[in-house]
Amino acid sequence: AQRVTQPEKLLSVFKGAPVELKCNYSYSGSPELFWYVQYSRQRLQLLLRHISRESIKGFTADLNKGETSFHLKKPFAQEEDSAMYYCALSASSNTGKLIFGQGTTLQVKP
Amino acid sequence: DAMVIQNPRYQVTQFGKPVTLSCSQTLNHNVMYWYQQKSSQAPKLLFHYYDKDFNNEADTPDNFQSRRPNTSFCFLDIRSPGLGDAAMYLCATSRGLGARHPYNEQFFGPGTRLTVL
Repeated sequence: AQRVTQPEKLLSVFKGAPVELKCNYSYSGSPELFWYVQYSRQRLQLLLRHISRESIKGFTADLNKGETSFHLKKPFAQEEDSAMYYCALSASSNTGKLIFGQGTTLQVKP
Repeated sequence: DAMVIQNPRYQVTQFGKPVTLSCSQTLNHNVMYWYQQKSSQAPKLLFHYYDKDFNNEADTPDNFQSRRPNTSFCFLDIRSPGLGDAAMYLCATSRGLGARHPYNEQFFGPGTRLTVL
């Protein structure tokens, strides 16, 4: 079965501390993984996709097929990073279907 | 600004009373999606339209229907809402299918929160 698991509902860190939001997936084929973010009172929006290998707002994520993980990392958290983060999987190249994890709330304390 | 608009933002209905949620877009995207997100759960795709072609997810209950009268608008109809249908309903659009292509990034609306009394 295709599944995305985010084991932490809440992650609380202090400003300047490193952040790692965990994401594990279950998929037998070649997945594409995404991170979406939802800031307070804003809509869900794409943060980054693994295929782009980009860094957005200081965040990076590496696909580890051996561990079936796609953890989101940032070396120094900022208060404005506080938001809900969703990991998502695209299971097919022919559909737009995204399979989301349950989300992790990141709280960055001053 | 080009965007995805959902109305209303909050909808209250009674058990068994049909309700319609609305989504419109100014992005001129070909694909429109409806996701259901229950409290503390992941958004779950219900169905999508590629232009006028309707694609239902296998596990979407028959109680949920959709209409897309034109490119800009898409409606979610819940024929007989139950208490278990209370959720946030998210509309999203993309230029095309194939979420893997950056060209087909999904853009989300703010959602409609449905309460069933």
